[in-house]
Amino acid sequence: GNSVTQMEGPVTLSEEAFLTINCTYTATGYPSLFWYVQYPGEGLQLLLKATKADDKGSNKGFEATYRKETTSFHLEKGSVQVSDSAVYFCALGDYGQNFVFGPGTRLSVLP
Amino acid sequence: DVKVTQSSRYLVKRTGEKVFLECVQDMDHENMFWYRQDPGLGLRLIYFSYDVKMKEKGDIPEGYSVSREKKERFSLILESASTNQTSMYLCASRSASSYNSPLHFGNGTRLTVT
Repeated sequence: GNSVTQMEGPVTLSEEAFLTINCTYTATGYPSLFWYVQYPGEGLQLLLKATKADDKGSNKGFEATYRKETTSFHLEKGSVQVSDSAVYFCALGDYGQNFVFGPGTRLSVLP
Repeated sequence: DVKVTQSSRYLVKRTGEKVFLECVQDMDHENMFWYRQDPGLGLRLIYFSYDVKMKEKGDIPEGYSVSREKKERFSLILESASTNQTSMYLCASRSASSYNSPLHFGNGTRLTVT
């Protein structure tokens, strides 16, 4: 079946540092890939998505590229802010109705 | 923007009570989902619905039931609440028009069963 693996963290960075959160997946078909963000006390919000190989999703300074050859979808941001502190989830969606989520990575950004 | 609204942010119930969690979406989405989120266990799917009056069990349906009488509303029911159902409950909806469609989540209901 489909699965998603991501680094669990927690990840602690100083403001303006470079962020990478690794995500790899296993899928039998041609899934779409997503990153969601969850701020404290809230639900998950869609951060970005990519629907086919070599697509790059981007939003709010975050980027991720769908790499079929390495089955990866790593999240990156060049300069993090304190307001980026949250939990980040990598997810996979396929032709079926269900999504598969990674365990989430907690990011703390210190001023 | 898609809006998924969960009726309560916080709920405290007693063991044995029947509990209703309500979710409404405003984008005419065919698919709706209920997840629970627990520390260390991630998101786990309880039930989902393809369309009105249709439902499918997810990974952890025991102790729960659902109702979808109208397209925009998906209710999660705890028939007899137990302390191990203390959790964050997240509702989501999704368009069935494309496999690329993302899930859209509500803000969650934090349920405490005492």
